[in-house]
Amino acid sequence: GQNIDQPTEMTATEGAIVQINCTYQTSGFNGLFWYQQHAGEAPTFLSYNVLDGLEEKGRFSSFLSRSKGYSYLLLKELQMKDSASYLCAVMDSNYQLIWGAGTKLIIKP
Amino acid sequence: SQTIHQWPATLVQPVGSPLSLECTVEGTSNPNLYWYRQAAGRGLQLLFYSVGIGQISSEVPQNLSASRPQDRQFILSSKKLLLSDSGFYLCAWSAETGSVWNEQYFGPGTRLTVT
Repeated sequence: GQNIDQPTEMTATEGAIVQINCTYQTSGFNGLFWYQQHAGEAPTFLSYNVLDGLEEKGRFSSFLSRSKGYSYLLLKELQMKDSASYLCAVMDSNYQLIWGAGTKLIIKP
Repeated sequence: SQTIHQWPATLVQPVGSPLSLECTVEGTSNPNLYWYRQAAGRGLQLLFYSVGIGQISSEVPQNLSASRPQDRQFILSSKKLLLSDSGFYLCAWSAETGSVWNEQYFGPGTRLTVT
């Protein structure tokens, strides 16, 4: 079956760095997405990786290793507004997104 | 630019009542359209997706149905709601299948409470 695993919850301190991991097993691979979802709101796109390596976008970076079925989202200089759930999703061979359950990130002052 | 609309934003319905949620997309043509449900504290569950008018694929057997009467309109319906239908319903669109970039864009969502 297809499976996406990510930690349920993480806690970090304002100004620090946090890494949210995602491992996946899917039928085919056409890219991996990270979305941010604030409580009660719709998910918004953060990043897309289809090749191995690191993609940097401001304070957020996303890494992919296709051979290991592994990705992480790195958030630097954490701000209180970064408190949200972070969803990992993999596009399979049928171009369908397989979603993880999300990681709730709690930022403490 | 493209925009996606969903309504209503919140809905409280009694068990056994019908349901109709509507989603429309502007600024793009022939999009892929999706209906998701998200239970509290859970991930996204794909309910239906559509690659064109009248073409609906169901991912999860349930008492819900979907229709796409127009290119940029997607409707989620039920004849009789169950308590288990409560949740956060999200409509999303993406470029047509085969595009290099297939990011999904989400509407604001409908929070449905079945009482």
